[in-house]
Amino acid sequence: GQNIDQPTEMTATEGAIVQINCTYQTSGFNGLFWYQQHAGEAPTFLSYNVLDGLEEKGRFSSFLSRSKGYSYLLLKELQMKDSASYLCAVKGGDYKLSFGAGTTVTVRA
Amino acid sequence: DAGVIQSPRHEVTEMGQEVTLRCKPISGHNSLFWYRQTMMRGLELLIYFNNNVPIDDSGMPEDRFSAKMPNASFSTLKIQPSEPRDSAVYFCASSLVDSHSGANVLTFGAGSRLTVL
Repeated sequence: GQNIDQPTEMTATEGAIVQINCTYQTSGFNGLFWYQQHAGEAPTFLSYNVLDGLEEKGRFSSFLSRSKGYSYLLLKELQMKDSASYLCAVKGGDYKLSFGAGTTVTVRA
Repeated sequence: DAGVIQSPRHEVTEMGQEVTLRCKPISGHNSLFWYRQTMMRGLELLIYFNNNVPIDDSGMPEDRFSAKMPNASFSTLKIQPSEPRDSAVYFCASSLVDSHSGANVLTFGAGSRLTVL
C-alpha cells in the first residue's frame, strides 16, 4: 500500500515563496506527481519527478529524493490565484497513482 | 479538444435509487480512471481501464458499485442501490504521455457531485 503525508494547510503572503513537503512510503516507485486543485474544480497536472533532483517549470519547482521518500513543491512569487489545494501523488510498483490528502495554500495580500 | 466530459455535473437522489455517472475521455487516450473525492478520504482510485478493459477494480467499495467501458469514447460508473455515504465528487480521468516529461499524466473531468439523501 501507499502512505503519503503532506501538511494540511499553509498560509503565505503575495509575492513570497512557499514550500510544500511530501513524504511517502510505497511498495515500489514509478514517479511522483504534483497536482493543483482550485476549490470546486478538477485537479490539474503541475509537475512530475521520477529521478532525484529538481525540476523547474516557471514559478513552480518540484524536488525528489527517492532514498528519503521525500518531495517538495516550491511556489515562488506567489499570486492570489495560487490559492488552491496542492496534491502530492505517487505511482507505486503497481503503476497505480495514489494521492495524498492535499495541502491547502492560502495566499494573503 | 473539449477535454474529459462528465455528466451529470450535479445529482441529488434518495437512498436506494440507482445512480449512473458518465464519462467521455479525451480522444486518443487509452487509459481511463474513476476517482472519488471526499473531505474525509481525499481522492481514492475506484477502478481503471486500459484499452477499454478493466485492469484494477480493487478500489471499488462494494458490489453496489460497477463500471463499464463499452468503447474507447464512453464509460459509466453505476451505484445501485445508492446510500448516503456514497455522497462525494466522482472524477473521471484519462491519461496521455506528457511529451516534455515522459510521464503518464492524468487529465481530469470537471467531476460529478453526488448527494444521496
